[in-house]
Order: sequence, then C-alpha cells, then structure tokens
Amino acid sequence: AQSVTQLDSHVSVSEGTPVLLRCNYSSSYSPSLFWYVQHPNKGLQLLLKYTSAATLVKGINGFEAEFKKSETSFHLTKPSAHMSDAAEYFCVVSDRGPSGGGADGLTFGKGTHLIIQP
Amino acid sequence: DGGITQSPKYLFRKEGQNVTLSCEQNLNHDAMYWYRQDPGQGLRLIYYSQIVNDFQKGDIAEGYSVSREKKESFPLTVTSAQKNPTAFYLCASSTPPQGRRNGYTFGSGTRLTVV
Repeated sequence: AQSVTQLDSHVSVSEGTPVLLRCNYSSSYSPSLFWYVQHPNKGLQLLLKYTSAATLVKGINGFEAEFKKSETSFHLTKPSAHMSDAAEYFCVVSDRGPSGGGADGLTFGKGTHLIIQP
Repeated sequence: DGGITQSPKYLFRKEGQNVTLSCEQNLNHDAMYWYRQDPGQGLRLIYYSQIVNDFQKGDIAEGYSVSREKKESFPLTVTSAQKNPTAFYLCASSTPPQGRRNGYTFGSGTRLTVV
C-alpha cells in the first residue's frame, strides 16, 4: 500500500524568500515520487520526478526536491519565490507494486496552496 | 503537439439533467483516468480505463458513467443521480507501466456548475 501526506494545506512566503513545501510518503516498494503544479482553473503540470536515480532532483522554474529514504520525505524547495509561483502543488507517489489507485497506481496528496506576498 | 483536450472548459447543468464531459488524447496512451477536484480534498479518482471497451470504478464512481469505445476518447457522463456534481473535473492519461515512472499527463479541466 502507498500513501502520501502533504504536511501543510497552505504556505505563505514573501516574494524573493525561499519556498519549502513538505511531503512525506509511505510505500511498500521502491517508490517513484512526483511534484505537480496547478494554476487556477488549469490542469496539473509535472514539475519534477524521482525514479531511483539521483536523490536531488531538479525541475522546471527553479524548483528542486530531495528524496530522503530514512525520513520518507520528498520536500519541494525553491531558493527565491516569484509571484508566478502562486499555485496549488501536489505530491504524488507510485510504489510500482500492484496497482492501487488506477492502472499505474499513482496516489495524490491533498495539495498545498502556495501564496506569495508582494 | 501531443496532449489531452478536455471540453468544454465551463459547463452549466440544471438539476436533473445528465451532462457529458469530453476527453480526447493523441498521445497513444493506453490508460485514461477521470478525477474530481474539490477545494481542500485533492484529486479523487472517479473511473479509469486501461484498454478499449474496459473500465473500472475508482473511489467515487456513484452517479457517474464512462465509455471507452476508442483509444483516444474517454467521455464522462455526470448523471442526475450525482447529488453534488459541482466541481472541477480532470482527465489524465498514461502508458502502463511507464506511467509509474513518468507520471500522468493531464488535460486542462472542465468546471461543472449546477444551476
């Protein structure tokens, strides 16, 4: 079985300051982990993914995430927030075991709403 | 460019009506999915299909129906039995098992409102 917990439903930062969105996961197998971003009334766009290669993963728009197996975490960071980063962010896990959430068995977190203060 | 097209972007439904949301993909993906999104609840799986003429219920299938007559198309019907259909609906696709490594591709969504 697999699950994912996004520890904050809302995060507010000032423009130009660092961003940290926290995600913990549970998996019975070696997981793949993803971060998606969703702007208002839009679909989800893949930011980055971890699939058992380098533990520090770089994505689009200056975001990166670090896979920490000992802490079962996959937190998303960005050194300097921009107003255009305001959006909903989803952490997603797939343990590549027997399908649970669909044909490819991805499980989505409930999302973190990122607010950027000017 | 390959992608997923959802239509319409906005849809209004009267009480007691059935409405159908369209989802078309030209990615040659085998699997397609429908999710419902409500504020603070994340994405909830309604139905998915791994192959033409076959589909499975997700976590919240009651009040919804789907068909998969073509690989490219996976329409969702919101029936009058769905008590609270106002939500944002997302369609996605993948090619199992690669989707577990590559993730899903999403459409831009349909916002359904009951009036």
